Amino acid sequence: DIQMTQSPSSLSASVGDRVTITCRASQTISSNLNWYQQKPGKAPKLLIYIASYLQSGVPSRFSGSGSGTDFTLTISSLQPEDFATYYCQQSYTTPITFGRGTRLEIK
Amino acid sequence: EVQLVESGGGLVQPGGSLRLTCAASGFSFSTYSMTWVRQAAGRGLEWVANIKQDGSETFYVDSLKGRFTISRDNAKNSLYLQMYSLRVEDTAIYYCARNFYLGMVFDHWGQGALVTVSS
Repeated sequence: DIQMTQSPSSLSASVGDRVTITCRASQTISSNLNWYQQKPGKAPKLLIYIASYLQSGVPSRFSGSGSGTDFTLTISSLQPEDFATYYCQQSYTTPITFGRGTRLEIK
Repeated sequence: EVQLVESGGGLVQPGGSLRLTCAASGFSFSTYSMTWVRQAAGRGLEWVANIKQDGSETFYVDSLKGRFTISRDNAKNSLYLQMYSLRVEDTAIYYCARNFYLGMVFDHWGQGALVTVSS
């Protein structure tokens, strides 16, 4: 199985900050990497697919990059509604696997 | 508007069975692959199973093969997860999700159904 390692596991930041979350795959997954946002008590929401494509309706302050084994999610200027947990997920092969999440908290 | 609504969750004893249903609306259900993902309390996301558009192929996480069965009824716009021999560690919120046309990318999710396995 492909292991997805996210870092950091938690992060404190302020409104307006630029934040980067990283995700590393245990083997190459080409660009088959997706990012989700989850708020407490809610279902995950797709933000970025195939490493860098912004899902419809997602603000442009979110961006993704990377290929192979190393990927990043960047939020250019944090907004109050961005405080949540973020998960990466590989869609390269089954079993589909997720990272353990990055909890983004208000500083 | 795409809607996915799970039902059938609840409390079940260890060793028991349960069937979850995901009612889909707002899109052409039969043209999308569908997936179940679960999340134990305070934990991360775990992919459970996927089924192709016509039900001809299914995929499972190895640890659940033989105990869980994914199926669908395109005439009823419904996705199912039949769970057998439930264990305490199967306690989780179970989400159904629609697969984006590009494959195992999940672009719409239901609100989740809570399954609690406890004596």
